[in-house]
Amino acid sequence: NAGVTQTPKFRVLKTGQSMTLLCAQDMNHEYMYWYRQDPGMGLRLIHYSVGEGTTAKGEVPDGYNVSRLKKQNFLLGLESAAPSQTSVYFCASTGDRGILQETQYFGPGTRLLVL
Amino acid sequence: KQEVTQIPAALSVPEGENLVLNCSFTDSAIYNLQWFRQDPGKGLTSLLLIQSSQREQTSGRLNASLDKSSGRSTLYIAASQPGDSATYLCAVLETSGSRLTFGEGTQLTVNP
Repeated sequence: NAGVTQTPKFRVLKTGQSMTLLCAQDMNHEYMYWYRQDPGMGLRLIHYSVGEGTTAKGEVPDGYNVSRLKKQNFLLGLESAAPSQTSVYFCASTGDRGILQETQYFGPGTRLLVL
Repeated sequence: KQEVTQIPAALSVPEGENLVLNCSFTDSAIYNLQWFRQDPGKGLTSLLLIQSSQREQTSGRLNASLDKSSGRSTLYIAASQPGDSATYLCAVLETSGSRLTFGEGTQLTVNP
């Protein structure tokens, strides 16, 4: 099993450009999450999904959109990138019992620089 | 709002030493607490998950304790090795059950 994979690993954007980050998991997990990690702020939840076709807002959702068209994929979109979105983005997934009972499995991260 | 604090922010120890990492949280109404490890440039790897009804969990040389009433958890690492060098993060699951709140981590360096 590859676990949780993220594409791309690194990206540089100019302010105003758009992009989509792809997260894929091969563990048949129901729950998927997008976090950003910033120095001095820790990891913060952007959006999450409790199953195919569902999405919900986390702690810092503004400026991001997500979609979960397939169970194994969770996409994070930036419609108009801003320098404040420079960060490391992590995707995570959890099994059927959810995070009440199970831990989260994290991807390797995507480093995004917005100029 | 739940806040998670980890002390110290950084720790450097010689190989073989036993050490304790600390985590405190402001709201004791939690479902569980987790400890993660993060290597430089990598994602997080789960180490231990303690349910709110439990007092401790053990995995190999790692032992995590939870005192929910006082809002504290400790991660004990026995006989530390250079391969233990990493950032250790704790996270608590809020009673809403929807998300984890993370601390900023303790950066551990174990010197040979």
